[in-house]
Amino acid sequence: GAVVSQHPSRVICKSGTSVKIECRSLDFQATTMFWYRQFPKQSLMLMATSNEGSKATYEQGVEKDKFLINHASLTLSTLTVTSAHPEDSSFYICSAPGQGNGGELFFGEGSRLTVL
Amino acid sequence: GESVGLHLPTLSVQEGDNSIINCAYSNSASDYFIWYKQESGKGPQFIIDIRSNMDKRQGQRVTVLLNKTVKHLSLQIAATQPGDSAVYFCADLVSGNTPLVFGKGTRLSVIA
Repeated sequence: GAVVSQHPSRVICKSGTSVKIECRSLDFQATTMFWYRQFPKQSLMLMATSNEGSKATYEQGVEKDKFLINHASLTLSTLTVTSAHPEDSSFYICSAPGQGNGGELFFGEGSRLTVL
Repeated sequence: GESVGLHLPTLSVQEGDNSIINCAYSNSASDYFIWYKQESGKGPQFIIDIRSNMDKRQGQRVTVLLNKTVKHLSLQIAATQPGDSAVYFCADLVSGNTPLVFGKGTRLSVIA
């Protein structure tokens, strides 16, 4: 089946630094990818929709200047958390829709960000 | 799925018993529904899906029931095993590239 890979799986950084998370579709092309955030014991919340070759679409309440998304190729989307703060500590998960019209999403393994 | 940001409800079942996890969705236009399993520290794993033209679908040890009238979805796990312990999320969407909307999730704990 389709595989989505995320990197890094875990990252710890100091407050004020920026962190980049990569999401790759390994055996298929994805013109669209979705970024979710998950706080402990909570559900996945959609942050933004990443569109290849155009600007990302952000959900209400998500700061686009803080969470920079770049979808430069059909297999790679990146999420950069700029000037990270402890409240940004979370589990970030990307996903990409499959090739068919089924609507199924394939998820990466997630990236756990801890901001000290 | 329903509004997110709430703490997860928990369901505890004895090993070997059947589990039923329920979910409500809010978008009456949704026509595709998926159940995901998420183990600690990992991304969601696809379990089973169902389209709105069906009201029941069976997989291996799992059955999904859809009631569009009341916008309700359930996941039944037969002969629950310790490896089934995880958080289960329902998700729904309107067909196309629209993103999935996740329900609040239910933590399933299997008692050996």
